[in-house]
Amino acid sequence: NAGVIQTPRHKVTGKGQEATLWCEPISGHSAVFWYRQTIVQGLEFLTYFRNQAPIDDSGMPKERFSAQMPNQSHSTLKIQSTQPQDSAVYLCASSPDWGDEQYFGPGTRLTVL
Amino acid sequence: GDSVTQTEGLVTLTKGLPVMLNCTYQTTYSPFLFWYVQHLNEAPKLLLKSSTDNKRTEHQGFYATLHKSSSSFHLQKSSVQLSDSALYFCALSDKVTNYNVLYFGSGTKLTVEP
Repeated sequence: NAGVIQTPRHKVTGKGQEATLWCEPISGHSAVFWYRQTIVQGLEFLTYFRNQAPIDDSGMPKERFSAQMPNQSHSTLKIQSTQPQDSAVYLCASSPDWGDEQYFGPGTRLTVL
Repeated sequence: GDSVTQTEGLVTLTKGLPVMLNCTYQTTYSPFLFWYVQHLNEAPKLLLKSSTDNKRTEHQGFYATLHKSSSSFHLQKSSVQLSDSALYFCALSDKVTNYNVLYFGSGTKLTVEP
């Protein structure tokens, strides 16, 4: 079991560029979550999917951020027109159906210059 | 809405001493509480979890008891080790409003010195 895989581990973009972050959940897990981690805000919920369907995106900034889960083996978080305040570690987690524990990936550190 | 408060941002201790990291929460519903530990440049990992009132749960020498009367789930260890240096997050889910979504506290950075 490789755990949750996130790619890339580090991404540097220029202000205004697009960034796409990838997450491969643990095989067989039905729920996928995205969180953002910063020094100032800590760990914040962004969005989650259950059985590939978007359930709640209440934590997502309304503009520029979008997430998809086209199949059960991966999810993407896309940030358009990146801004310096988007710099953070973006964490993906998955959990089995109706399970309590979330298994986190190592995160993608996004730096917007 | 759901929220979690961790009052200590930084805790520094000498090896062998006891530690208690505070966690209080707010929710309208029946709470599920978690402690996650994150070592430097690693993913957060589950350390403890509980939804049972007044029952102590233990793992890897750490323990915590959910007290619904005081809305608390403090993390304790009787003797810290150098390897315990990490970031500790308390988290809450309520299984009702948003099943399994975790609401995290701000985290406590524990540093254990020789």
